[in-house]
Amino acid sequence: DAKTTQPTSMDCAEGRAANLPCNHSTISGNEYVYWYRQIHSQGPQYIIHGLKNNETNEMASLIITEDRKSSTLILPHATLRDTAVYYCIVRGANNNDMRFGAGTRLTVKP
Amino acid sequence: DTAVSQTPKYLVTQMGNDKSIKCEQNLGHDTMYWYKQDSKKFLKIMFSYNNKELIINETVPNRFSPKSPDKAHLNLHINSLELGDSAVYFCASSHQPGAGELFFGEGSRLTVL
Repeated sequence: DAKTTQPTSMDCAEGRAANLPCNHSTISGNEYVYWYRQIHSQGPQYIIHGLKNNETNEMASLIITEDRKSSTLILPHATLRDTAVYYCIVRGANNNDMRFGAGTRLTVKP
Repeated sequence: DTAVSQTPKYLVTQMGNDKSIKCEQNLGHDTMYWYKQDSKKFLKIMFSYNNKELIINETVPNRFSPKSPDKAHLNLHINSLELGDSAVYFCASSHQPGAGELFFGEGSRLTVL
């Protein structure tokens, strides 16, 4: 699976959009981009995933660049409850597991 | 009704003891996993079972033995506990192997003294 690079930490003001970047320059054609988050003392939670096209669900939007070498997770209106570690994971469709890196610690501030 | 439930939530024990952590999922999923999150917060996969069969076995000491009596349960038994086994253990499930959406339990914090 391709390696991902994320900033160690980010801050965001409550009510503003949180834009979390992820670099995955070695991604191959059949690898998906997944985002999970882990709120303190809880299990990780799936957010969204995509292959080539941008995706949106009730939690977030995922913007993948045309060359697929990077992506951005967007939380449109961050709340204090969105404070968590966000993990960007690249994984092939035929793999049977999800491997987590260090992630980005997002702190939403009032 | 919790989708993936683990027991116990907290476990404190002495070195050398044997302990088990239980996991149950009521989602009807075929695949279950155990992950370990150490003090540095790195989350690492340990095992994965699909319909009671082992499909992933990372480099984990053989003191750790997973058991899946049926596809809704994946228990983790640890023999001869060591200080380094102290961690939070997360159980997860997915619809099938390769499914991208994993559902995690709340974790079981194991402290070895």
